Amino acid sequence: QSVLTQPPSVSAAPGQKVTISCSGSSSNIGNNYVSWYQQLPGTAPKLLIYDNNKRPSGIPDRFSGSKSGTSATLGITGLQTGDEADYYCGTWDSSLTAGGVFGTGTKVTVL
Amino acid sequence: EVQLVESGGGLVQPGGSLRLSCAASGFTFSNYWMHWVRQAPGKGLVWVSRISSDGSSTSYVDSVKGRFTISRDNAKNTLYLQMNSLRAEDTAVYYCVRDLWNYYYFDYWGQGTLVTVSS
Repeated sequence: QSVLTQPPSVSAAPGQKVTISCSGSSSNIGNNYVSWYQQLPGTAPKLLIYDNNKRPSGIPDRFSGSKSGTSATLGITGLQTGDEADYYCGTWDSSLTAGGVFGTGTKVTVL
Repeated sequence: EVQLVESGGGLVQPGGSLRLSCAASGFTFSNYWMHWVRQAPGKGLVWVSRISSDGSSTSYVDSVKGRFTISRDNAKNTLYLQMNSLRAEDTAVYYCVRDLWNYYYFDYWGQGTLVTVSS
């Protein structure tokens, strides 16, 4: 049911940067805003980014978001061991079966 | 402090029914759209359903249309998900989620309640 495609995993050493891509279509990312979520092991997801690039209060500026056409990207700089988690993009799909959609999820590993 | 507390999960046989509840506190419940999102064991997030702030508008993912019904009681600050004709593939943790701006931005999540459909 995931209509948004993410890489299964990315990894980097502490202090480095990772980027996670999220690919969709004109019915979702192409015409709607994107949000990003972090899910630490055994916990509920947490909102990291909304409106493509805005951070809720309390989210450090190490996390950033961008969107271009039908794709979006989450960036994490200054990688920390506590960033090891699953990350999901999300948006609204305005096709006939309009509703929320999530990406396939990306596991970030800190080496 | 915003809190969302789900209840009602458990083990149910295929074809059975279950009603999930989500007690909300710490914010004006009647001002927000609310959603249910589920996650099968070891799998990704799946949006299930949404209800408008006054309950007049709802939407569902195709796989649950005609089987699940979302509703809310703004006087009791409670969200519901009535699940009928349950299937094995409905097995998942179900999260109650608040929508930040009525734009599918999920800013607060409950701890989740596990629904297991098995004989």
